[in-house]
Amino acid sequence: GAGVSQSPSNKVTEKGKDVELRCDPISGHTALYWYRQSLGQGLEFLIYFQGNSAPDKSGLPSDRFSAERTGGSVSTLTIQRTQQEDSAVYLCASSKGTRWGSTQETQYFGPGTRLLVL
Amino acid sequence: AQSVTQLDSHVSVSEGTPVLLRCNYSSSYSPSLFWYVQHPNKGLQLLLKYTSAATLVKGINGFEAEFKKSETSFHLTKPSAHMSDAAEYFCVVTRMDSSYKLIFGSGTRLLVRP
Repeated sequence: GAGVSQSPSNKVTEKGKDVELRCDPISGHTALYWYRQSLGQGLEFLIYFQGNSAPDKSGLPSDRFSAERTGGSVSTLTIQRTQQEDSAVYLCASSKGTRWGSTQETQYFGPGTRLLVL
Repeated sequence: AQSVTQLDSHVSVSEGTPVLLRCNYSSSYSPSLFWYVQHPNKGLQLLLKYTSAATLVKGINGFEAEFKKSETSFHLTKPSAHMSDAAEYFCVVTRMDSSYKLIFGSGTRLLVRP
């Protein structure tokens, strides 16, 4: 596609429910990233995929958070048993991808999914 | 550890006047630095990046930034503000051990007055 797309754009859920957030990266981009933007914490890294593998999950805040990527393309971020502190904008980005994760690459961001947990 | 500090949470300028958004970084090595812009309800867009080439970096929409190692600064400037520049701006540094991991500053909201 022309850019990174995310769905849904907005999600309202009740505390304790599970949610799935989807990211479609730019076609041909092998690297994919999830970030979270919240009022209290600012923008923070969650997880990085190279192809279907996630060599760095260090930013996931708890074991309620998981992510997968299939076919080297679409990624899904799942939050189980949502809590009010999970309310935030979840951003996905992609880049061309190199074996060593070069900073020469530009990360292209999607518009985000705004999650509100009531 | 690498970090960035954006010195102003809000900056207000009149249209046609210069813009200065300040950023200081902390890094034990020569960092890669970026400025991203976020317009309301839109994704982050890269304005410019510094990766140890020229210290004066030119970006899109007339923005530029100068890497000053002696001052550990990477301030963003534009000679003449336009109404469409109103947005939030993030200064970003990457980690040495995981260069794909962007570390964001707290952001500066730019308001442009007519």
